[in-house]
Amino acid sequence: ELKVEQNPLFLSMQEGKNYTIYCNYSTTSDRLYWYRQDPGKSLESLFVLLSNGAVKQEGRLMASLDTKARLSTLHITAAVHDLSATYFCAVISAGGSQGNLIFGKGTKLSVKP
Amino acid sequence: NAGVMQNPRHLVRRRGQEARLRCSPMKGHSHVYWYRQLPEEGLKFMVYLQKENIIDESGMPKERFSAEFPKEGPSILRIQQVVRGDSAAYFCASSPRQGAYNEQFFGPGTRLTVL
Repeated sequence: ELKVEQNPLFLSMQEGKNYTIYCNYSTTSDRLYWYRQDPGKSLESLFVLLSNGAVKQEGRLMASLDTKARLSTLHITAAVHDLSATYFCAVISAGGSQGNLIFGKGTKLSVKP
Repeated sequence: NAGVMQNPRHLVRRRGQEARLRCSPMKGHSHVYWYRQLPEEGLKFMVYLQKENIIDESGMPKERFSAEFPKEGPSILRIQQVVRGDSAAYFCASSPRQGAYNEQFFGPGTRLTVL
């Protein structure tokens, strides 16, 4: 059974600081997604990482994928209050062909001034 | 091009009543996934449907829950005889094609509260 673990689950950081969220998954998968969710809202797609060594950046967020280590990271640079949200990583299930996503529990990020 | 639409956005039911949640996929998308999100949790897969077919319902409880995606009209997730534990946010996502490599686009969700 494919399992996805994120850590930390809660993250309180000050504006201007850097931090990294980690996403580990238990079996082979070569496609990983990062989503953002604001309270009471739907999921906004941030990144799709397709292959080993993939790195993508958008603004203050950068995501990377190491398929050998089964690890993805979401790095936050010089955090601002607007980044406060819950961040989820998700991978395609081990069944593969159907495409349903397996999500981590999410990292609730709070950026304080 | 409208995104994935879900209605109602909020639904309140008393124990024992039925809940019907609707999902209209993005234009041109014929694949629909339903997920459930409990408070402070990630989303959990429930069911995957194509038009007139259930492809994978491995994540859906065997009793009280059913889903359909008719040839015409939205996909519907139906919960009979709701219980308090059914209170959650239910999201649907659509994609244009089958397979592990097609990105899913999420709707705004339906938040179900069972009194």
